Amino acid sequence: QSVLAQPPSVSGAPGQGVTISCTGSSSNIGAGYDVHWYQHLPGTAPRLLIYGNVKRPSGVPDRFSGSKSGTSASLAITGLQAEDEAIYCCQSYDGSVSSWVFGGGTKLTVL
Amino acid sequence: QVQLQESGPGLVKPSETLSLTCRVSGYSISSGHYWGWIRQPPGKALEWIGVIYHTAVTHYNPSLKSRVTISVDTSKNQFSLRLSSVTAADTAVYYCARVDCTNNSCYGDNWGRGALVTVSS
Repeated sequence: QSVLAQPPSVSGAPGQGVTISCTGSSSNIGAGYDVHWYQHLPGTAPRLLIYGNVKRPSGVPDRFSGSKSGTSASLAITGLQAEDEAIYCCQSYDGSVSSWVFGGGTKLTVL
Repeated sequence: QVQLQESGPGLVKPSETLSLTCRVSGYSISSGHYWGWIRQPPGKALEWIGVIYHTAVTHYNPSLKSRVTISVDTSKNQFSLRLSSVTAADTAVYYCARVDCTNNSCYGDNWGRGALVTVSS
């Protein structure tokens, strides 16, 4: 069981939007540690999508946005495209175990 | 554009030592940044293993610290992972990554494609 909880799957039609949640606790997200998001396709290198809760690396479309509140964070994807079909994973730091912690990943299906 | 490539044996026997190398191109390790290893066992979440700075300062996951050594070779622009006394639970895809940090949390900003390591006799 992952330290950060994510829904196993979400889906949406092309052009629509989805939101993926990442729920932590008082020792990680709730303690104020920043949240980062990755996009991952098996067999490929994970791609950083969001860092520092809300910041996008250069080259990441503004269709991807991050937010954080309390012990949770969210990744929003608007204007879904077929190429967005992937696994999305959140990551933060946990002070109680002095380690990076990850969510279990959410598989996005574009219908 | 920085690129990372993992290499090493795909099969390791139980109780032996797993060794992987990450070759970095398009960026000099000596220029800065931490460099890290992360793994993903089959069907499970990603797990942070540890990071190293070009000065050889290291930080390890406490749950793996007794078995992990990460080293850096700036002359070859690569860094390496050694994990001793492996068991089947260490079977995973191992990723290397360049690491950046906000003021309170670090993350991988560029990753390799990963190397599958299976622990089996």
